[in-house]
Amino acid sequence: DAMVIQNPRYQVTQFGKPVTLSCSQTLNHNVMYWYQQKSSQAPKLLFHYYDKDFNNEADTPDNFQSRRPNTSFCFLDIRSPGLGDTAMYLCATSGPGQAYTDTQYFGPGTRLTVL
Amino acid sequence: ELKVEQNPLFLSMQEGKNYTIYCNYSTTSDRLYWYRQDPGKSLESLFVLLSNGAVKQEGRLMASLDTKARLSTLHITAAVHDLSATYFCAVVYGGSQGNLIFGKGTKLSVKP
Repeated sequence: DAMVIQNPRYQVTQFGKPVTLSCSQTLNHNVMYWYQQKSSQAPKLLFHYYDKDFNNEADTPDNFQSRRPNTSFCFLDIRSPGLGDTAMYLCATSGPGQAYTDTQYFGPGTRLTVL
Repeated sequence: ELKVEQNPLFLSMQEGKNYTIYCNYSTTSDRLYWYRQDPGKSLESLFVLLSNGAVKQEGRLMASLDTKARLSTLHITAAVHDLSATYFCAVVYGGSQGNLIFGKGTKLSVKP
């Protein structure tokens, strides 16, 4: 029944140790988004894919990368996590009709802790 | 740059009371969303408002949009404990890119 799935749900990593977060969707949506939400703050868009086209937000640190090997999957790679990267990471999708006008559906999130 | 302001940021209500959360945004946008977030959980879509004067209702929640005033309201009627959560409004920014800019959220606590 789940439409946007994120794995793992909880991740603890060491300072500087690369980590990959996964998002998959069964909705066949064109657009997939990655948001970072720090404690008691609003979600902040990191980047998104429209089909295979990658769109990076201007203030997203270079430390954050993303891959979308196919329609269903999207990955968030953090190359050298810092303590300030501790946050909830939310994946969202929209489409396939008029993808950018459709509601974004959010996954359950991955709570990342950097020690 | 689009800015989205919500108020209040914290709201403590008694069950049975009514209250309104306000969402102001700084530049023209053609879509506004309301989301609910429970502690430690993801975002649940409540409403999408697409045009001036749009009003949507679901249970004890009613959302409206005034695009001329750049204002949306989320009205809570006869609050119950189950409504306790953080409510975010979000506005589309960037033309066709669909990027959402979120307000800071209103943390609602409904007490017996």
